[in-house]
Amino acid sequence: GEDVEQSLFLSVREGDSSVINCTYTDSSSTYLYWYKQEPGAGLQLLTYIFSNMDMKQDQRLTVLLNKKDKHLSLRIADTQTGDSAIYFCAERSLSVTNTGNQFYFGTGTSLTVIP
Amino acid sequence: EAQVTQNPRYLITVTGKKLTVTCSQNMNHEYMSWYRQDPGLGLRQIYYSMNVEVTDKGDVPEGYKVSRKEKRNFPLILESPSPNQTSLYFCASSSGGRVEGYTFGSGTRLTVV
Repeated sequence: GEDVEQSLFLSVREGDSSVINCTYTDSSSTYLYWYKQEPGAGLQLLTYIFSNMDMKQDQRLTVLLNKKDKHLSLRIADTQTGDSAIYFCAERSLSVTNTGNQFYFGTGTSLTVIP
Repeated sequence: EAQVTQNPRYLITVTGKKLTVTCSQNMNHEYMSWYRQDPGLGLRQIYYSMNVEVTDKGDVPEGYKVSRKEKRNFPLILESPSPNQTSLYFCASSSGGRVEGYTFGSGTRLTVV
């Protein structure tokens, strides 16, 4: 599968901004997603961005995409203790050889928010 | 409520004893998939299905089987479980729409001793 990489851990203080980074390898037209996994739960879709976009903002969440460097980031403004979770970056390739439903997930970044 | 339901949530079994983890979705989704989650490795796809009777291998299919006889159900079968299959398993489904991601179940934590 494709390589999607993330750092494993991030700690921030409550009220600060968090930035979670992700790099991917597939250069074909792609949707990129951020999922959140709370303890003991499945993954919930937070947001997505298409590869022809540079930025997407949704309330406290800002997604930035640098297509040239294949780098994706998720910024959480005013981070709260309830944001403590594992965040997964995922890539969905729409290449000819892919049915379009192959999602490749990163290793996940465990975000700890310190009160 | 739209959801993906997996059962059981927790399972401890012995090496070699066949088991099935069930997955059901009520959203009429065409696409379903099984992932395993291991520390430091993220989510790795085991098998996926594009429709009834259409399944294909993901990245780590060895030791697993699946079937898709009905649209809503996609069970994961371990014919002869081994300790290296101890993991957290997730079933997920999608309509296949361009922007839609997968909807995930709550997970099944499997321990093989």
